[in-house]
Amino acid sequence: GIQVEQSPPDLILQEGANSTLRCNFSDSVNNLQWFHQNPWGQLINLFYIPSGTKQNGRLSATTVATERYSLLYISSSQTTDSGVYFCAVMDSNYQLIWGAGTKLIIKP
Amino acid sequence: DAMVIQNPRYQVTQFGKPVTLSCSQTLNHNVMYWYQQKSSQAPKLLFHYYDKDFNNEADTPDNFQSRRPNTSFCFLDIRSPGLGDAAMYLCATSRDPFPQTGGMTNEQFFGPGTRLTVL
Repeated sequence: GIQVEQSPPDLILQEGANSTLRCNFSDSVNNLQWFHQNPWGQLINLFYIPSGTKQNGRLSATTVATERYSLLYISSSQTTDSGVYFCAVMDSNYQLIWGAGTKLIIKP
Repeated sequence: DAMVIQNPRYQVTQFGKPVTLSCSQTLNHNVMYWYQQKSSQAPKLLFHYYDKDFNNEADTPDNFQSRRPNTSFCFLDIRSPGLGDAAMYLCATSRDPFPQTGGMTNEQFFGPGTRLTVL
């Protein structure tokens, strides 16, 4: 089945810093989503991005489907950005396959 | 606002005592999913409904059952909770799992989750 790898596994930054999170996947996919899981466990949809580039405020994402990777950019980090960022791709059975996540800590 | 709602947010049960978690949606989506998430891990799909069609994951224990009485509601029943079933349970919906056209997507939307404690 499809393998999804996220890097780095952990990231600690000072408030105001920029970061790039990476998601590699091993096969063609039907969609790709980025989620932020906050400290209370809520999974928040960030981007639905099977290909191309999208931006939403301080966050942007790019997926290069032909090269099987996606990047999530966070600029001017705030403490509320802390949490776990998951990448999930949809396989040929239309099931989401999840990466292990990147745990982000933003220090004030 | 259209949304996915889960009740209760926190549930405490005793070992072996049946428990039911509920999920409702105002998105009018065809598909509803139940995931289990344990600490520091990615969510794990337990089963999903595509309309009334139930689809069980091969490794979902028999202890877990689900009901979908109508489009808006879906329930997760744990018949005899064990200590290993303590986890966050997440409900999600999507319009349709298949590739979409005309601007629609098969994006999944999640509820806030129910955190289950088993004593």
